Amino acid sequence: DAKTTQPNSMESNEEEPVHLPCNHSTISGTDYIHWYRQLPSQGPEYVIHGLTSNVNNRMASLAIAEDRKSSTLILHRATLRDAAVYYCILRDVSSGTYKYIFGTGTRLKVLA
Amino acid sequence: DTGVSQNPRHKITKRGQNVTFRCDPISEHNRLYWYRQTLGQGPEFLTYFQNEAQLEKSRLLSDRFSAERPKGSFSTLEIQRTEQGDSAMYLCASSLTGAQAQPQHFGDGTRLSIL
Repeated sequence: DAKTTQPNSMESNEEEPVHLPCNHSTISGTDYIHWYRQLPSQGPEYVIHGLTSNVNNRMASLAIAEDRKSSTLILHRATLRDAAVYYCILRDVSSGTYKYIFGTGTRLKVLA
Repeated sequence: DTGVSQNPRHKITKRGQNVTFRCDPISEHNRLYWYRQTLGQGPEFLTYFQNEAQLEKSRLLSDRFSAERPKGSFSTLEIQRTEQGDSAMYLCASSLTGAQAQPQHFGDGTRLSIL
C-alpha cells in the first residue's frame, strides 16, 4: 500500500506562512499527490494535487521534491479558518483502482 | 452548487439493530466511495462504485456490511446486526471518471452511535 508520513501536529501564527511536510518514499511514477483538509464535524475538503511540478491554486501551493519522495503544502497566510487536520494521500497502486489511503494527518493549530 | 449529501447526519441505535445510510453524489459524478472514520484517525476506505458496478470492497467490510448503487445514482450502505465497534463516522465521496487526478468531493458524513 502506498503510504505517507506526516507530523502529528503543527502550530502557526495567524497571517504567517505555513509549510506542511509529507514523506511518500514508496510513491510510484504515475501517482498523483493529493492534499485534503478536514474541519471539525465536516467531511474532508480537497485542497490541491500535483504530479511532478509545483502547483498553485487559490487555497494553497504544492511543492514537490525532484525525486517525488516528499512534498510540502504551503499556506501563504494562515488564518484561523485554516485550523484543520491536513491529509497528504496517494492512490493505492497495489489495487490498480482509485481508492485513497489516508494517514492520520497533521493537525494545524493557528494562533491569533 | 449541490454537493454530496448524506442522510441521516446522526443515527443512534441499539446493538444488534440494522441501519441504512444514504448518499446522494454530485449529479454528474459516476464514481462513488464509502469511507469510515473513527475518532483521531483518518478516513478508512470501505468500497467504491463506478456507475452501478461495485468495483472494490475493503477487507474491513465484513459480511454484515453491504452497499448498493442502483442505476448509478444514489448509494446506500447497510449494516446488519450492529456491534459496538461499528460506532464511527461514515463518509461518502464522489468524483468524475478519468485520470487519478480527479479530486473526491466528500459529504459531511453520518455519525453512527451504538448503544
